[in-house]
Amino acid sequence: DQQVKQNSPSLSVQEGRISILNCDYTNSMFDYFLWYKKYPAEGPTFLISISSIKDKNEDGRFTVFLNKSAKHLSLHIVPSQPGDSAVYFCAVQETSGSRLTFGEGTQLTVNP
Amino acid sequence: GAVVSQHPSRVICKSGTSVKIECRSLDFQATTMFWYRQFPKQSLMLMATSNEGSKATYEQGVEKDKFLINHASLTLSTLTVTSAHPEDSSFYICSAASGQMNTEAFFGQGTRLTVV
Repeated sequence: DQQVKQNSPSLSVQEGRISILNCDYTNSMFDYFLWYKKYPAEGPTFLISISSIKDKNEDGRFTVFLNKSAKHLSLHIVPSQPGDSAVYFCAVQETSGSRLTFGEGTQLTVNP
Repeated sequence: GAVVSQHPSRVICKSGTSVKIECRSLDFQATTMFWYRQFPKQSLMLMATSNEGSKATYEQGVEKDKFLINHASLTLSTLTVTSAHPEDSSFYICSAASGQMNTEAFFGQGTRLTVV
């Protein structure tokens, strides 16, 4: 039972354009939503997060949008840079603790 | 950000032997540590949650006698894969959080285990 889904296993964009990564979840009890970036053979690196009381959080080139009614969140990267090429995982946190449930990940490739 | 160090980064062992993986929080006290496993091209799957000084809580389907977790101090947790078999070959990642409600867990670099 996949509680968090990233339906696009890969995404390819041109340098300078916007990258949009999507994530859907099933449990309305999730309270906190996070995006992590991961390179091969390395642990995930925290990027940006948003709590359920907000619908948008911005940090530099990264913006996360949350649509609670649709149980959908997205990560926007603009402008995209070749160094952004990595696997991006969305993760959700249950209200009661800090356990993370991850999506399957999306491989982003930014072409120069 | 906080630093979590995981060691070793890569290990190859013979089938039937045991392997210990260490996870250390370097600049904060980790009351909770998490162990994940990632299969190729798949997501990170939580194996167990450990709180300092108490027994780990294992996820359904994870054998606690095979994956021994010890969280003896606020800066160190260890995962021991006992009697390893080739199907245990995987990428193991730890993360550490400084409080039960801390949402931003920090991850170690991961350990690539290959059992031959």
